[in-house]
Amino acid sequence: DADVTQTPRNRITKTGKRIMLECSQTKGHDRMYWYRQDPGLGLRLIYYSFDVKDINKGEISDGYSVSRQAQAKFSLSLESAIPNQTALYFCATNGNGERPEAFFGQGTRLTVV
Amino acid sequence: QKEVEQNSGPLSVPEGAIASLNCTYSDRVSQSFFWYRQYSGKSPELIMSIYSNGDKEDGRFTAQLNKASQYVSLLIRDSQPSDSATYLCAVISWGGGNKLTFGTGTQLKVEL
Repeated sequence: DADVTQTPRNRITKTGKRIMLECSQTKGHDRMYWYRQDPGLGLRLIYYSFDVKDINKGEISDGYSVSRQAQAKFSLSLESAIPNQTALYFCATNGNGERPEAFFGQGTRLTVV
Repeated sequence: QKEVEQNSGPLSVPEGAIASLNCTYSDRVSQSFFWYRQYSGKSPELIMSIYSNGDKEDGRFTAQLNKASQYVSLLIRDSQPSDSATYLCAVISWGGGNKLTFGTGTQLKVEL
């Protein structure tokens, strides 16, 4: 099983619909991140969380919200999806010790029509 | 100024050559540096991490860190067509709230 699991892997939704992307990890890490990737723009940070009670906005948080339900779970919601939120979304997790390397989920390809 | 900058490429090298990828960062108190490889449509995969000045070698890959000049580089020796991918530089810095920040990536093409 993957250390970081994202669901769903692919989703097509209509404009105005609410959608939730879920992420769970078995690494035991405190830190979790949601990134969005568009062609030519790299990985842009949406939200990040350093523990269950800590939520921080990234560079492109408008139109998104998150929930850290447990140390291992971090969900991303689009309250009212719009077409320019069509992108590849990645969840990642890292520790805060001597080796803070990040591990990624498989990605969720979201299309808003 | 972006926190982490990379040349988007594409960088084309012939098979067997050395590919050199560069990354600069803006926060002087950055402490952790990473190189990820990403194939199209796939998730990033960690190749190298480096935390102190100098070189770190792992197989065909060498990461180089120069904190005084605020750059980190990745050398790929004996480049293979399978190395064709986008390479992402990532940084963790105290000034950046200790979060993981990525550059936009450099596309590498290894030609036969």
